[in-house]
Amino acid sequence: SYVLTQPPSVSVAPGMTARITCGGNNIERKSVHWYQLRPGQAPVLVISYDTDRPSEIPERFSGSNSGNTATLSIIRVEAGDEADYFCQVWDRDSDQKVFGGGTKLTVL
Amino acid sequence: EVRLVESGGGLIQPGGSLRLTCVASGFTSDDYDMDWVRQVPGKGLEWVSSISWNRANVNYADSVRGRFTISRDSAKNSLYLQMNSLRPEDTALYFCAKHKKKWLVQPNDAFDNWGRGTMVTVSS
Repeated sequence: SYVLTQPPSVSVAPGMTARITCGGNNIERKSVHWYQLRPGQAPVLVISYDTDRPSEIPERFSGSNSGNTATLSIIRVEAGDEADYFCQVWDRDSDQKVFGGGTKLTVL
Repeated sequence: EVRLVESGGGLIQPGGSLRLTCVASGFTSDDYDMDWVRQVPGKGLEWVSSISWNRANVNYADSVRGRFTISRDSAKNSLYLQMNSLRPEDTALYFCAKHKKKWLVQPNDAFDNWGRGTMVTVSS
């Protein structure tokens, strides 16, 4: 089955840029979606289809997808961005939806 | 405002059954594919099952196929997950999620709205 690999944690100082990667075999051929999870809250879609940002998500959030790596970037990081972030794709070969293991973003 | 509210979770013994319900409001759930996703406490997300807007397509994770059944009720604007032969490894917070695109059977679509989840604990 298709595997998505994320770093368990990323730490960044306020005001700096956070980059969270999602690795998968030829992931550029798939549509990658990113979700933000905070304890006790409903997950939030922050990026869909590699680069599309919902209108309610700050412009500081962006996505890219090339080769074997998709990336969620957050510029000018704020304390409120601290959360777990998950990437997700649909694997056509297995007809299964797959999530990465998640990355805990810590704002120092 | 789109809202999804899950219910039906609880403590159940191994081998038992539970039925989860997700009530949708603020939109017509019949217009969208809907899914169930779960999260083991302290762990990552795992997709569980999906049902297309027209009910033509139903799919399950290999880990639950044959034990879980997804369904939906137009009149109640609700989504269900019947869980049988429950195992300790099914212990998780279960979310329902709505697809972004309307009237499309599109398995690669994003989940643009989620509920807060209902906790299922399988233990003797």
